[in-house]
Amino acid sequence: AQTVTQSQPEMSVQEAETVTLSCTYDTSENNYYLFWYKQPPSRQMILVIRQEAYKQQNATENRFSVNFQKAAKSFSLKISDSQLGDTAMYFCAFMKQGTASKLTFGTGTRLQVTL
Amino acid sequence: GAVVSQHPSRVICKSGTSVKIECRSLDFQATTMFWYRQFPKKSLMLMATSNEGSKATYEQGVEKDKFLINHASLTLSTLTVTSAHPEDSSFYICSANLGGGPTYNEQFFGPGTRLTVL
Repeated sequence: AQTVTQSQPEMSVQEAETVTLSCTYDTSENNYYLFWYKQPPSRQMILVIRQEAYKQQNATENRFSVNFQKAAKSFSLKISDSQLGDTAMYFCAFMKQGTASKLTFGTGTRLQVTL
Repeated sequence: GAVVSQHPSRVICKSGTSVKIECRSLDFQATTMFWYRQFPKKSLMLMATSNEGSKATYEQGVEKDKFLINHASLTLSTLTVTSAHPEDSSFYICSANLGGGPTYNEQFFGPGTRLTVL
């Protein structure tokens, strides 16, 4: 079974600053995917970024980037130029390779962006 | 594209009654849908995997007779909470697999349903 750990229950960052959210996972699988999801106050889950484990290059999506360390089983999310709209719960998630595979979520990090 | 809807968005019911929640993929067909439960300020916990045309696969500890799942078409899965009790009050979220991927299929999430059992 896979486990996903987010050790930061809450974080705060000032607008325009950079923040990094941590995530570690445990698995015996070699082929898998890692995700960061955002859940704003509306509760709608939004995919922020995805990383394929077989890719060494870290994924980036505009202001969002990851630091994927496969050997260390670490998958952190960096948000640059933080905006007020980034305020949300952020969940790290794991999915093993397969077309009907399920997601395993971490416990989440509540991010507050302040003026 | 890839929109998933849930209905109702909010429901209040009396203890002992049954409540049905619908999950629809609006612009794609989903052979697999997932049902999650989320307690306040907590993570999403997978309850079951809903497969079109076959029985759902439930996670350990989830009562299949209490949480009935039906996936009768490629665009609709339903979750029925039978004989609801106050402890069933929660936020229920569904997701649908956008198929066709060679190695994995992205999941798209519905907006959730808040169930309150009095």
